[in-house]
Amino acid sequence: DAKTTQPPSMDCAEGRAANLPCNHSTISGNEYVYWYRQIHSQGPQYIIHGLKNNETNEMASLIITEDRKSSTLILPHATLRDTAVYYCIVRVPGTASKLTFGTGTRLQVTL
Amino acid sequence: DAGVIQSPRHEVTEMGQEVTLRCKPISGHNSLFWYRQTMMRGLELLIYFNNNVPIDDSGMPEDRFSAKMPNASFSTLKIQPSEPRDSAVYFCASTQNWGHYGYTFGSGTRLTVV
Repeated sequence: DAKTTQPPSMDCAEGRAANLPCNHSTISGNEYVYWYRQIHSQGPQYIIHGLKNNETNEMASLIITEDRKSSTLILPHATLRDTAVYYCIVRVPGTASKLTFGTGTRLQVTL
Repeated sequence: DAGVIQSPRHEVTEMGQEVTLRCKPISGHNSLFWYRQTMMRGLELLIYFNNNVPIDDSGMPEDRFSAKMPNASFSTLKIQPSEPRDSAVYFCASTQNWGHYGYTFGSGTRLTVV
């Protein structure tokens, strides 16, 4: 699975959009970009995934660049409950490839 | 759906004792994963099963660790004998179709070995 690079931490004011970047310059053609988050003391939670098109669900939006070498997770209106560690992972779905977590980005949402 | 259920939520045991962690995956999910999380090493994949068969146990740290999945609705992770360095939060996750639509994690078991 391709390696990803994320900033270790970010801050965001409550009510504002949180934009979390991820670099995956060695991503291969059949690898998807997945985002998970882990709120303190809880298990990781799946957020969204995509291949090359932008995706949106009730939790977030995922923007993938045309060359697929980077992506951005957008939380449109961050709340205090969105404070968590966010993990960007690339892998081939539908295979036995491992879901491997890096160090992620610690997002702190403040008043 | 109650999600992935892990028990116990907390376990405190003395060094040398046997510890058994339990997991009930989501009904219909055919893949199950055991992870361990510590401050030093983050989230580590220990072992995973597909259709109750162990696929990759390369993450199991030592022979003191063993995992079983006797049926589609139950899995155990056993540590015997336990050591203080095994103290961590252990998560179980399940999915179907190898997680195309994401894995679902349990709430974890916080293990403390004293």
